[in-house]
Amino acid sequence: DTAVSQTPKYLVTQMGNDKSIKCEQNLGHDTMYWYKQDSKKFLKIMFSYNNKELIINETVPNRFSPKSPDKAHLNLHINSLELGDSAVYFCASSQDVAQEAYEQYFGPGTRLTVT
Amino acid sequence: AQTVTQSQPEMSVQEAETVTLSCTYDTSENNYYLFWYKQPPSRQMILVIRQEAYKQQNATENRFSVNFQKAAKSFSLKISDSQLGDTAMYFCAFMEYGNKLVFGAGTILRVKS
Repeated sequence: DTAVSQTPKYLVTQMGNDKSIKCEQNLGHDTMYWYKQDSKKFLKIMFSYNNKELIINETVPNRFSPKSPDKAHLNLHINSLELGDSAVYFCASSQDVAQEAYEQYFGPGTRLTVT
Repeated sequence: AQTVTQSQPEMSVQEAETVTLSCTYDTSENNYYLFWYKQPPSRQMILVIRQEAYKQQNATENRFSVNFQKAAKSFSLKISDSQLGDTAMYFCAFMEYGNKLVFGAGTILRVKS
């Protein structure tokens, strides 16, 4: 069974569109994250949620809105897509936000291409 | 803010040999965690090894080991008996409060036969 899954794996869309990426984890973890990997492979955190509550919100345009319907899901909605949003988006989860429970498990990534 | 620096954009090693990937970081915290992640061409992020800053002993996982120098803020990864399957991008990462991972820019490792 896949621990952290993302759908879709590939997403090609046009500028100005709105799209969502879904993430689900079946590990029973309390904390979930979104990371962005740009074209130079640089990885940076965007958001994290603990038990459906937002705990980390990096300097991300407000066109990006995470939504956590329950602690097993953290979806990423992007409005008015721009060329610069093209990247690979990774979802991850960890047992808790406490440092003692620190291992993060990553999903397979979603490659978003905006044309 | 914490920063992580990987000064080697690319490295090559012959199969069965040993290679060391460098990583330095900057923090004012005393308690933290350090990680090496591997990203093969499949793009899956795979945890290779982790080190708790409060532990003096260097972490080891089979062919992978680290040289953790807390005073120097250095965290290098040594891969012994390199295998073709080790070809990947390797990321050093620092964990700060709230389980936020801060990544270095990555090192591409190519294992040659």
